[in-house]
Amino acid sequence: KQEVTQIPAALSVPEGENLVLNCSFTDSAIYNLQWFRQDPGKGLTSLLLIQSSQREQTSGRLNASLDKSSGRSTLYIAASQPGDSATYLCAAPNRDDKIIFGKGTRLHILP
Amino acid sequence: NAGVTQTPKFQVLKTGQSMTLQCAQDMNHEYMSWYRQDPGMGLRLIHYSVGAGITDQGEVPNGYNVSRSTTEDFPLRLLSAAPSQTSVYFCASSYTRQGVVSNSPLHFGNGTRLTVT
Repeated sequence: KQEVTQIPAALSVPEGENLVLNCSFTDSAIYNLQWFRQDPGKGLTSLLLIQSSQREQTSGRLNASLDKSSGRSTLYIAASQPGDSATYLCAAPNRDDKIIFGKGTRLHILP
Repeated sequence: NAGVTQTPKFQVLKTGQSMTLQCAQDMNHEYMSWYRQDPGMGLRLIHYSVGAGITDQGEVPNGYNVSRSTTEDFPLRLLSAAPSQTSVYFCASSYTRQGVVSNSPLHFGNGTRLTVT
């Protein structure tokens, strides 16, 4: 059974800092891992998808890495801005195509 | 492009009532799924489908039914609403390849906020 954990549950950092969000998963037989952003009262928006054959993916100031052997993924946000404040969730599929989510990290960027 | 459309946006039910949450997508996605989101619990998978005529249970399926008669629609039925089903419900969809979820991102609707009194 796939279990996905995100630590920390909440994080506050000053504007301009670089930061890392963590995601761990128990079943390393995944074919991808996804990172999402959720703004309050809204749905989820896909940020990055890393395929199992890749080690990282980049989009603008975001960089996601994947280490299947250790069951970990990280989302790196460079030069953080107040507009980055949101909840960030990661999701991994299990062996029968159930896509399982972590509980998310609430990020607050201090102006 | 409409993407994933969920209706209604808000709903209040009395205990014991039944209702259907609607989900439609116009991206020809074969994979569709329903999640509920509760404070402190994250998103939990209720039911999912890898194509028309195929459905399967997720992590928390009790009290919910689904059907998938077309590629576009994946309604979620609450048979007899209970206060424990008060939640925000999200529908999501994605491409599949040969009947399994492929390496394409999951697209979400904007959610239905359900209150059961």
